[in-house]
Amino acid sequence: EDQVTQSPEALRLQEGESSSLNCSYTVSGLRGLFWYRQDPGKGPEFLFTLYSAGEEKEKERLKATLTKKESFLHITAPKPEDSATYLCAVQADSGNTPLVFGKGTRLSVIA
Amino acid sequence: GAGVSQTPSNKVTEKGKYVELRCDPISGHTALYWYRQSLGQGPEFLIYFQGTGAADDSGLPNDRFFAVRPEGSVSTLKIQRTERGDSAVYLCASSLSSSYNSPLHFGNGTRLTVT
Repeated sequence: EDQVTQSPEALRLQEGESSSLNCSYTVSGLRGLFWYRQDPGKGPEFLFTLYSAGEEKEKERLKATLTKKESFLHITAPKPEDSATYLCAVQADSGNTPLVFGKGTRLSVIA
Repeated sequence: GAGVSQTPSNKVTEKGKYVELRCDPISGHTALYWYRQSLGQGPEFLIYFQGTGAADDSGLPNDRFFAVRPEGSVSTLKIQRTERGDSAVYLCASSLSSSYNSPLHFGNGTRLTVT
């Protein structure tokens, strides 16, 4: 069974304090790993897709990396507007299987 | 452009009643997905459509849940004999295709409360 575990559950940072969120996964062949951002009362917003180990993607203060067992979302010099829940999801490499999501990491950035 | 639209945004119903939740996907998106999200949890897959047909309904919890997409655009999720455990946010997403490199675009969900 495909599984996604995210840690920590919650993270509180001071503005400018860089950190990383972790997504560990077990899947029968990885087709893609996805990062989403979710604000309260909103649907998840797509950030990145990673397909193979060693791949990296960047967007503003966010950088996502991928290994064969986990992915990291690095947040550099965060701002209060980066506060949100960050969700990780995987898609297995067996037909058009649906995304399997983790529970997310709730990030709070304090000014 | 317009994103995925879900109506109603909130629905309160009594235990045992029937509800319909509507999803209007992004124009031109052929794949449509329903997910359910409980408090503090990630989205949980329910069903997905490629065009008009349900390509995978393995996530529907039981036969009280049913979804349709008759013209390959708007979809309706139907829940019969609602139970308090059905209370959650129901999210709809669409993508250009069901290919792995076509990301899902989510609506803001319908918050269902069963009293």
